[in-house]
Amino acid sequence: QSALTQPASVSGSPGQPITISCTGTNSDVGGYNYVAWYQQHPGKAPKLLIYDVNNRPSGIANRFSGSKSGNTASLTISGLQAEDEADYYCSSYSRGSTAWVFGGGTKLTVL
Amino acid sequence: EVQLLESGGKLVHPGESLRLSCAASGVSFSSYGFGWARLAPGRGLEWVSSIGLSYDTYYADSVKGRFTISRDNSKNTLYLQMSSLRAEDTAIYYCAKIPLSGRYYDFWGQGTLVTVSS
Repeated sequence: QSALTQPASVSGSPGQPITISCTGTNSDVGGYNYVAWYQQHPGKAPKLLIYDVNNRPSGIANRFSGSKSGNTASLTISGLQAEDEADYYCSSYSRGSTAWVFGGGTKLTVL
Repeated sequence: EVQLLESGGKLVHPGESLRLSCAASGVSFSSYGFGWARLAPGRGLEWVSSIGLSYDTYYADSVKGRFTISRDNSKNTLYLQMSSLRAEDTAIYYCAKIPLSGRYYDFWGQGTLVTVSS
């Protein structure tokens, strides 16, 4: 199956906002409100940041937010912090032959 | 606190088989779905397989027919039986929990490394 499309890298300075996009199709991102976002630091397990497009689990800072328009979902981090430097992945439920699909990942660098 | 502990990863040769285990604690294991995802060197996360409460199973195309997911609710353990392993299956394999009515993984284990090489 094809992965969802994410930019390979994004960067920003502390305090600035950044947005990471995640583009799929009508069979996944566009067809369901089941988009999730994960943060992964090197050598660590992935951590859930956003689920069902725009919901934050308890304990996740409110500077992380999610949205969706058509076949593209977005993760916005308002007010970058040094500890936000990590890899970010989106995922979506898929109507295809497989149930779920992940994005290729985006490396966030905090300048 | 939910804890997921994977085990079973090791170096194997192409074509060989391997079974991964994931022991869960701090959670009512039989009440949730679980699954596996993997992170290959230089590549992003890839969803591998999931199993629901009714033992319904789902697989990525890349592993369909070669991998089998299963669960033993009496042992609070999730399994991934991998056969006909290929070099491209080399990855860290993560076990993760699916919340009720969820289409995502809300808790992840630390992963176990599988290396397929001759």
